Amino acid sequence: GDSVTQMEGPVTLSEEAFLTINCTYTATGYPSLFWYVQYPGEGLQLLLKATKADDKGSNKGFEATYRKETTSFHLEKGSVQVSDSAVYFCALVDQAGTALIFGKGTTLSVSS
Amino acid sequence: DADVTQTPRNRITKTGKRIMLECSQTKGHDRMYWYRQDPGLGLRLIYYSFDVKDINKGEISDGYSVSRQAQAKFSLSLESAIPNQTALYFCATSDLSRPPYGYTFGSGTRLTVV
Repeated sequence: GDSVTQMEGPVTLSEEAFLTINCTYTATGYPSLFWYVQYPGEGLQLLLKATKADDKGSNKGFEATYRKETTSFHLEKGSVQVSDSAVYFCALVDQAGTALIFGKGTTLSVSS
Repeated sequence: DADVTQTPRNRITKTGKRIMLECSQTKGHDRMYWYRQDPGLGLRLIYYSFDVKDINKGEISDGYSVSRQAQAKFSLSLESAIPNQTALYFCATSDLSRPPYGYTFGSGTRLTVV
């Protein structure tokens, strides 16, 4: 079945460092891809999305590009802030639109 | 008011007790979901419903049941709670009729089974 694999954390960075969180997927057809963020003690918020190959999703300085040839959707940010400390989830919805399938999450900790 | 409301926010219950988690939504979405979050495991799908008469098992439905009382209400029950059901539970709704498949999540219910 469909699945999402993302890099294990925790990822620990200093403020203003460059961030990459890797995400790859397995799915038939053309899924839609998402990054969700969960700040400490809160629920999930949609960070960005892409619905077709080569689309780039972006929000709050974060970016991710839908790469079908490598089945990847890596999350990047050029300069992280302490306030970016959170758990980040990569997810997909299959073409049938059944349900969101999540990766296991990557914890990011940014220190000043 | 929140678009997706979960009650209770926190609950401690004893092993063997029956417990119900409730979810209501004002989004007008037909599709509703229950997920469970465990550290290091991400979110896993328990049950989902595409309309009032449609209930489907997800990846980890054993030990759980659901009821879709109305388009806006979807409850999750643990008939006989056990400690490994201690987790954070999320309800979600979606409009999956077309991309970009908007999902809305509730704030979660933290359940502890002792």
